[in-house]
Amino acid sequence: QKEVEQNSGPLSVPEGAIASLNCTYSDRGSQSFFWYRQYSGKSPELIMFIYSNGDKEDGRFTAQLNKASQYVSLLIRDSQPSDSATYLCAVTLSGYSTLTFGKGTMLLVSP
Amino acid sequence: DAGVIQSPRHEVTEMGQEVTLRCKPISGHDYLFWYRQTMMRGLELLIYFNNNVPIDDSGMPEDRFSAKMPNASFSTLKIQPSEPRDSAVYFCASSLGLAPHEQYFGPGTRLTVT
Repeated sequence: QKEVEQNSGPLSVPEGAIASLNCTYSDRGSQSFFWYRQYSGKSPELIMFIYSNGDKEDGRFTAQLNKASQYVSLLIRDSQPSDSATYLCAVTLSGYSTLTFGKGTMLLVSP
Repeated sequence: DAGVIQSPRHEVTEMGQEVTLRCKPISGHDYLFWYRQTMMRGLELLIYFNNNVPIDDSGMPEDRFSAKMPNASFSTLKIQPSEPRDSAVYFCASSLGLAPHEQYFGPGTRLTVT
């Protein structure tokens, strides 16, 4: 059973702080990794994806991948109340495949 | 583009009734996905289509569930008969290809079976 695990949270951080969201996966063959954001009552939307070990930065967001340890993380710098949402981690087994989602981590950013 | 369109947005039905969920993908997208989201199980892929052809339906929970895509601009997910445990949010998504191509999600249909 291929699994993607996330802490359900909520993760509470004050405005302006760095929020760190983590995800582990069980299948060593997983090749691409995605972070989706889902506001309450809304649909998931893609934030960013990463394939290679290391860091990938996009604005206030940084995705970090460590394939040896089988984890991927998302850092949100200068967190804003508008970042309050559930963040879903998703992985694919091969280069072109369907997504397997974790259950998500709820992030709460307090003003 | 209007994005992925789903209807109805909310559906309340009684156990045993037939439920039909509808989806219009983004024009030009070759792939269409049906997902179900619950608190217990998260977001699960039910079935996906490529060029209107079902490719993988291994996520469909039971024979009570069926999906069709008669043309490139329309798909349905049918549950017959419905049961209370089918209560969930059902999302349709479309994309230009499998990952890493981005999947664009519709607003979802919240189904409640009493």
